[in-house]
Amino acid sequence: GESVGLHLPTLSVQEGDNSIINCAYSNSASDYFIWYKQESGKGPQFIIDIRSNMDKRQGQRVTVLLNKTVKHLSLQIAATQPGDSAVYFCADRGGYNKLIFGAGTRLAVHP
Amino acid sequence: EAQVTQNPRYLITVTGKKLTVTCSQNMNHEYMSWYRQDPGLGLRQIYYSMNVEVTDKGDVPEGYKVSRKEKRNFPLILESPSPNQTSLYFCASSDIGNEQFFGPGTRLTVL
Repeated sequence: GESVGLHLPTLSVQEGDNSIINCAYSNSASDYFIWYKQESGKGPQFIIDIRSNMDKRQGQRVTVLLNKTVKHLSLQIAATQPGDSAVYFCADRGGYNKLIFGAGTRLAVHP
Repeated sequence: EAQVTQNPRYLITVTGKKLTVTCSQNMNHEYMSWYRQDPGLGLRQIYYSMNVEVTDKGDVPEGYKVSRKEKRNFPLILESPSPNQTSLYFCASSDIGNEQFFGPGTRLTVL
């Protein structure tokens, strides 16, 4: 069945380092992918998205890379800050606008 | 301010006592959806609605009902709550094909 998975449940980084969060998906027909950030006690917040006709998209301090050959995407956060500490989810859009979420990766930023 | 609101934010109830969690969005979005979030399982879709009077089951619809009488509102109804419905619930909305905006969440405990 369709699934979205994450390679690591927890990622610890030093403040100022770059962070890379990985995600795998199984549906080769998926055409839209989103990264969400969820801080404690809050709902998921949109970070960046990418459509399947692209392999890279950049935002402010964040970059998403999509490799359709191996069905993998990653979120890169440059110069990670304490405010980046959160759980990060990738989501894959299936049919009827449905999002399929991975279990999430917790990013912990240490001073 | 564009937002998705949910009420209540926290609820403790007992088995079998009917409850409704309200969701409202002010962005004129066609698509609305309910998710539940449980540790290690990410977000799983309960029900979704593509437009007024159009609703359909997600991945985990058992024990839940929804209605979409107005575009802005999408209440989640638990006719006879059970302890396995203790969870964190999120409502989301979007234009079809674009990123979903999430509400702040409702933490439900069923005793």
